[in-house]
Amino acid sequence: SAVISQKPSRDICQRGTSLTIQCQVDSQVTMMFWYRQQPGQSLTLIATANQGSEATYESGFVIDKFPISRPNLTFSTLTVSNMSPEDSSIYLCSVGIGTEAFFGQGTRLTVV
Amino acid sequence: DAKTTQPPSMDCAEGRAANLPCNHSTISGNEYVYWYRQIHSQGPQYIIHGLKNNETNEMASLIITEDRKSSTLILPHATLRDTAVYYCIVGYGKLTFGQGTILTVHP
Repeated sequence: SAVISQKPSRDICQRGTSLTIQCQVDSQVTMMFWYRQQPGQSLTLIATANQGSEATYESGFVIDKFPISRPNLTFSTLTVSNMSPEDSSIYLCSVGIGTEAFFGQGTRLTVV
Repeated sequence: DAKTTQPPSMDCAEGRAANLPCNHSTISGNEYVYWYRQIHSQGPQYIIHGLKNNETNEMASLIITEDRKSSTLILPHATLRDTAVYYCIVGYGKLTFGQGTILTVHP
């Protein structure tokens, strides 16, 4: 298994600002992913965070809005840029180890 | 689009087995079947996964049909703390979540 720490656990932000969410894993992992869970909805994959190269974004998500960094095999950040109330969601980091995938506890973001 | 179909909700009496079905008729040969659950306001919790064979761990059993087009998650003795949304997912690496099944365990 893996221990995944996300910071912050929650935040309330003003519209138009940006928030960077950190994801730290206790072991080196090849695959890291970022998900969004809007209120009352299931999880939606935002992007795959690739170490040493640009992230791979899913349809509907773009780098300008959700820039991602992956400087090494244990850490990644997701930035939610120019926030609006529609960005209020839980953002989750996930890692793949072998055939298993594990999730952090998420960052609950409220944009006012 | 999610590749699985699950009933939106199910009920189960405490102490009884909870059997959660999942259809995944378009599963491909190298895709695993994963089950996660999410208790309110928490991150998804891994339960179990399998490729072809039935699997069992301390939390649950996973029964996969021979054609791999459907599976059943079995919680052998459901407790009130098992009330959660249960997600059945097929894939490898990045996972696509459907809407899941809301399991309510009642006394």
